[in-house]
Order: sequence, then structure tokens, then C-alpha cells
Amino acid sequence: EVQLVESGGGLVKPGGSLRLSCTASGFTFRDYTMTWVRQAPGKGLEWVSSFSRSSRYIPYADSVKGRFTISRDNARNLLYLQMNSLRAEDTAIYYCARDSNLDYDSFPSPIDYWGQGTLVTVSS
Amino acid sequence: IQLTQSPSSLSASVGDRVTITCRASQAISSYLAWYQQKPGKAPKLLIYAASTLQRGVPSRFSGSVSGTDFTLTISSLQPDDFATYFCQQHNSYPGTFGQGTKVEIK
Repeated sequence: EVQLVESGGGLVKPGGSLRLSCTASGFTFRDYTMTWVRQAPGKGLEWVSSFSRSSRYIPYADSVKGRFTISRDNARNLLYLQMNSLRAEDTAIYYCARDSNLDYDSFPSPIDYWGQGTLVTVSS
Repeated sequence: IQLTQSPSSLSASVGDRVTITCRASQAISSYLAWYQQKPGKAPKLLIYAASTLQRGVPSRFSGSVSGTDFTLTISSLQPDDFATYFCQQHNSYPGTFGQGTKVEIK
């Protein structure tokens, strides 16, 4: 059974940093592109970043470029999101997600598995 | 690529046929997915590549495309279908989502 479990969320002050982790199990982690998606309270979904299975493609949303860094540890089945210079508008539930590998890894694929999410609150 | 969903919300009764539209700001071929999200839960993939039903999703859900206009149809709304629906393009990065359509009980 595919499982994605996020951790690391919490309350942080504006300008602060936080690192989210996602522990994957139930599939061959290194074979899949992995993605972070966020959802502000009561709002829609926002794609944040992906780390392709080949490690060649690591795109970011414009809203987080230069502040967030996605990484992965294939040996430990872990996905990370390092978030720096956090702003109030980064407050959201952050979901770890697995792309379905529908196409070449230079393109996004539909997300077939999601974690339960971890809440990040940026407030003074 | 911008995705514009309509309506933003709708009220319907059990048994109704429901249609939700997602318009892309440029050509994305058939690279569009639909998700269902219930309160406090992660989204669930329903349809990908515009019209391919994800394994395990009931056949009352269907998707279609005409140009840059994509449609999600629920042929006969069931109590379990009251939720928010999002579209997402998987043509190119960033993987943009639509703003969502909330389906409520009339």
C-alpha cells in the first residue's frame, strides 16, 4: 500500500525557516517524480515544486522560487521541502504527492497519491 | 497556463446530472486531470488525460474536451459526491490547478 507521511509543519515567524519531510513507503520511491502541493486555509490547491525521477527536472512555482528548495533521499525514501524567508502568504497545508509517471519526466503527471498534509502557519 | 473553472459553486440534488467546466488559457492537448476533495481530506484523482477514469472511480464520472474547454460530468449525483472539484493541467510545468468548484446539496 502506498503511503506518504508528512512531518515538520508548525508555527514560524515571518522571515523564519522550516523544513518539511515526507516519508514514502509501499512503492519504489526512486522511480517516481515527487511533488509538493499546498492549500491555504479555505482556498484552492497550488502546485509548489516537483523533483523528477531522473533528478534532471526540479521546477518551482514563481511564488516560492529562490526561497524554497525541494530535495530527495532515494536511499531513505524521503522527500524534503526547505522553506526559507517565510511569509504570511505561505501559511497552508502542505501535501506531499506522488506523480503517476504518465509521461516523460520533463512533464508533470497527474497526482495519484497524496499524503494527509502538514500545516505550516507563518505568523508573528 | 491559467485554468478557469466554472461555476465556482453549485447546488444540486441527488440524482441530478452535474457539469463542471475548466477552460485553459492556451492549448494543452488532452493533458488535464480532475480531482475530488472532501473537507479535511487530501484530493483524490478522478480522471486524467481529459477522459481516462482512474482505477476504482465510479463510471458516473466522465470527462471530455473540446479545444481548450474541458468538462467533468457526474451523470447521477450521489450523496458521496458532495465535495469540491479541481482541475489540473499536466501539459507543462508549473502544474496549475483551477480554483475549484464546490458541489453542495440543494
